[in-house]
Amino acid sequence: GEDVEQSLFLSVREGDSSVINCTYTDSSSTYLYWYKQEPGAGLQLLTYIFSNMDMKQDQRLTVLLNKKDKHLSLRIADTQTGDSAIYFCAESIMDTGRRALTFGSGTRLQVQP
Amino acid sequence: GAGVSQTPSNKVTEKGKYVELRCDPISGHTALYWYRQSLGQGPEFLIYFQGTGAADDSGLPNDRFFAVRPEGSVSTLKIQRTERGDSAVYLCASSLLLTGGAADTQYFGPGTRLTVL
Repeated sequence: GEDVEQSLFLSVREGDSSVINCTYTDSSSTYLYWYKQEPGAGLQLLTYIFSNMDMKQDQRLTVLLNKKDKHLSLRIADTQTGDSAIYFCAESIMDTGRRALTFGSGTRLQVQP
Repeated sequence: GAGVSQTPSNKVTEKGKYVELRCDPISGHTALYWYRQSLGQGPEFLIYFQGTGAADDSGLPNDRFFAVRPEGSVSTLKIQRTERGDSAVYLCASSLLLTGGAADTQYFGPGTRLTVL
């Protein structure tokens, strides 16, 4: 079945880079998403990548995809205190025709000043 | 433009009562999704609408849960005979329903926090 897993917690200092990791269920055709959730708020889409890509960069965000190892990472450069939140990776498997997203449990990022 | 809105933002009810949660999607979005997020967990899929019809309700936990979208826009999630285990944040999302291999990005509302006493 579908399973997305993430580490629970990451603490970094302001100005450092953060790397949040995720493993997912393999599929020949998958979109993988990163969402950010701040306390009491909904999910904010950060970026996404298709499974035929290795990397995607968007300003301070870099997504790396290792399809062989079923591993996805989100790198945040120059991490700021405003980046403190819970980050979710999510998978959408297109081959099955389902449109539901399968989420990991989230990684809480704490940025220390 | 306006994002996905959900009302109420908070709902406290007693065990056994009936509740309705409302979602107003982004204008023009054909697809609408309901998810449930328990404390410390990621969202879990409940049901997905394509227009007025429920295209996938495989995530509904039991027959106490029901959702409608009569005019293909606003949706209501209905929970009968609420139980304490139903306490969670109920999230709604909408998308354009892109096909042909494009990323059909889902945009989420702020959620309704349901507490069953």
